[in-house]
Amino acid sequence: RKEVEQDPGPFNVPEGATVAFNCTYSNSASQSFFWYRQDCRKEPKLLMSVYSSGNEDGRFTAQLNRASQYISLLIRDSKLSDSATYLCVVNKGTYKYIFGTGTRLKVLA
Amino acid sequence: NAGVMQNPRHLVRRRGQEARLRCSPMKGHSHVYWYRQLPEEGLKFMVYLQKENIIDESGMPKERFSAEFPKEGPSILRIQQVVRGDSAAYFCASSPRASGAADSYEQYFGPGTRLTVT
Repeated sequence: RKEVEQDPGPFNVPEGATVAFNCTYSNSASQSFFWYRQDCRKEPKLLMSVYSSGNEDGRFTAQLNRASQYISLLIRDSKLSDSATYLCVVNKGTYKYIFGTGTRLKVLA
Repeated sequence: NAGVMQNPRHLVRRRGQEARLRCSPMKGHSHVYWYRQLPEEGLKFMVYLQKENIIDESGMPKERFSAEFPKEGPSILRIQQVVRGDSAAYFCASSPRASGAADSYEQYFGPGTRLTVT
């Protein structure tokens, strides 16, 4: 079983839709969680850290469920510019990031 | 504030040649990480360095690969005698520190070097 698993997608959604991605992790000792966004042939860019209490940044909401060992990302009012691959990242409180393979999102006009 | 810089952005090498990839961390960051990304795969950790020290190279192949982060100058990932399987995107990331509050683990990535071995 992979340490971090994501549905690869693609998720094709119309502009304005709400879309949610989940990511499961296998190591219960994991402490820090992040969502990164990666555009085609570009570097990953930090979207948001995920805190135990959940956090929101504009149209983006991240949640952590430690009991079920998953994190989620919700995107409201999708824009064309949200089209990208969303990477789930987990670590055990150290520098070593474990990346998921990403979920592809395509927002359609 | 300049972000993480990597060069070259694209590198073509023939089998058996050496590849040198450079990374300058963000200003104020003293922790550097190298990752490799194969097509359709996630990023894989290779090595973590601080100035003049290799802290963890557990993700790096034992042979042909080496990394350094000298006191002065960029971090360098060196691949000797490249083979076709080395073709990938190599990303460098930096962070201000590697312990403490959760946000201290946030890593910022450079644009990557795309290595093609012919």
